[in-house]
Amino acid sequence: KNQVEQSPQSLIILEGKNCTLQCNYTVSPFSNLRWYKQDTGRGPVSLTIMTFSENTKSNGRYTATLDADTKQSSLHITASQLSDSASYICVVSDRGSTLGRLYFGRGTQLTVWP
Amino acid sequence: EADIYQTPRYLVIGTGKKITLECSQTMGHDKMYWYQQDPGMELHLIHYSYGVNSTEKGDLSSESTVSRIRTEHFPLTLESARPSHTSQYLCASSEKAGQSYEQYFGPGTRLTVT
Repeated sequence: KNQVEQSPQSLIILEGKNCTLQCNYTVSPFSNLRWYKQDTGRGPVSLTIMTFSENTKSNGRYTATLDADTKQSSLHITASQLSDSASYICVVSDRGSTLGRLYFGRGTQLTVWP
Repeated sequence: EADIYQTPRYLVIGTGKKITLECSQTMGHDKMYWYQQDPGMELHLIHYSYGVNSTEKGDLSSESTVSRIRTEHFPLTLESARPSHTSQYLCASSEKAGQSYEQYFGPGTRLTVT
């Protein structure tokens, strides 16, 4: 069964600190992995997308890593800001369909305190 | 920010009413999707469309229906709303089918059925 598991479920950090969010997946055959940021009451917005051959990708203060052998990914946020408070969703796409089916994790709810 | 719009943003309605959730995109994208998301849970695909006059059911069974008469418009209709339909509904679009194409999400409609 294709699944995406994220940890922790929620996280509170102080402004300026770094944090790392985890994602494990069982989706096969693997096509790509994406990290989305979803603000409360808004739709998800893409942060990074990585294919099988990529093991790291950055977008400003966000750095995603991918280990396709262990089927794990992480999202590292440096020098956190209050605006980083959101749900971060790991999404994996499989190669088995022309639709480009996406499998969503439940997200990690990040809260940044001043 | 993606040019994809959803109305209304919030809707509270009584049981048995017919409702239509609107979704429009100005990017000329062929593919459009509807997702359902409950609080703290993953997104589930309920409908998608490859283009005009194409509609397909997604992974999650839904009593809603969709239509695609114009490229830019993908409305979702519930003929008789029930409390079990209370959820957030997210519309998305992508340029083409396939695993590598980015999906752009609208802001969502939060539906409450009393």
